[in-house]
Formats: sequence, C-alpha cells, structure tokens
Amino acid sequence: GAVVSQHPSWVICKSGTSVKIECRSLDFQATTMFWYRQFPKQSLMLMATSNEGSKATYEQGVEKDKFLINHASLTLSTLTVTSAHPEDSSFYICSARRVAEAFFGQGTRLTVV
Amino acid sequence: AQKVTQAQTEISVVEKEDVTLDCVYETRDTTYYLFWYKQPPSGELVFLIRRNSFDEQNEISGRYSWNFQKSTSSFNFTITASQVVDSAVYFCALSVPIYNQGGKLIFGQGTELSVKP
Repeated sequence: GAVVSQHPSWVICKSGTSVKIECRSLDFQATTMFWYRQFPKQSLMLMATSNEGSKATYEQGVEKDKFLINHASLTLSTLTVTSAHPEDSSFYICSARRVAEAFFGQGTRLTVV
Repeated sequence: AQKVTQAQTEISVVEKEDVTLDCVYETRDTTYYLFWYKQPPSGELVFLIRRNSFDEQNEISGRYSWNFQKSTSSFNFTITASQVVDSAVYFCALSVPIYNQGGKLIFGQGTELSVKP
C-alpha cells in the first residue's frame, strides 16, 4: 500500500528557533497534502491544505506566517514552525490524499523548551 | 458544514467484553466517505476502514464490525471479544469529495478505549 513518510518523528527545540518537518509520499504523487495538529488528549485539527505548486490554504485561526508550508514537488511537503514557542509543542501529522484514500505519516512530536 | 461527533470520551471494558464506539456525522453532501482510525500511544494513525456514502452494507473484519446507517447519520464500530491490544484512541472521520474543499478529513473528538485484563 501507499506509504507516507514523515520526518523527524520527534524534535526538541529551543524557544525562538525554527523547525522544519518533512512529509513525503513514497510511492505515489500527491498533489494535495494536509497538515494536522493534535494537542494531548484532543482530536486532530486540520491546519492547512498543501497544494503542489501553489500557496497553501490555511484554516481559520492558523497563522500562515508562523506555520510555513511548502509543497515544491509532487512527493514532498514541508511544514516549518517559525520562532517556535512552548505553546507550539504538539503532535503534527501530515496526510497525503490519493483518490478516496488518506494516507498518514507517522507524526512528529514537537517539544519547545 | 461538516461535523463528526463521538460522544463517548472514554470507555473502559474488561477483556473479552464486546464494545461499541459511536459515531454520528453531519454533512449536506450526498457523496462522502467515512473512516475509522486507531491511534495507539505511539501516535501513528492506523487505518481501519473506509466506507462511501452509497454503500450501506455493514462490514465485518475479524473481531471488528461496522454499522453504517444513513437514516440516523451514524457509523458505529463494534469490537467483539475485546483484547488488551485494542486499547487505544479511536477516531471516526468524515471526508467530502476532492472537488469540494479538497477532500480534507474532519475528525471526531476520539474515544479512548481501555481494555483491562
């Protein structure tokens, strides 16, 4: 089956620094990828829709200047958390869509100290 | 707007008991997909099932079964003879067609299932 690889699986960074998370579709081309965030004991909330070759579409309340999304190729989308703060600590998970299937990456646990 | 409601926040059962996780959805689209995912402590989402809106047949896969009823907008999930390894958070999700909002998934709040030996 299709595989989506997300890297890194966990990262600890200092407050004020930026962190980049990669999401790759390994055996299919994904024109659309999605980025979700999950706080402890909560559901997955869609942050943005990443479209290859165009600007990402952000959900209401998500700061586009803080969460930079780049979808430069049909197999790679990146999420950069800029000037991270402790409140950005969360579980970030990407998803790539192929027809009616949604394939998820393994997730990235970000801790900002 | 689309919405998924999982009213059960936590369920605790003893091994070998049957357990049903409820899922109620809202959408005005006639074409949509429903999903169930399992999220163990590692965080990775494990795909369990996808059902499209035109297929109301119930499905059984081993100890798992799903009951899809459009009349009540429900897509319930039953685990028969539960096992400790079933302990996880289970999410129900809804997706509308790609041509409408790009096919994003709307998740329910999740149900944390704890199966005790």
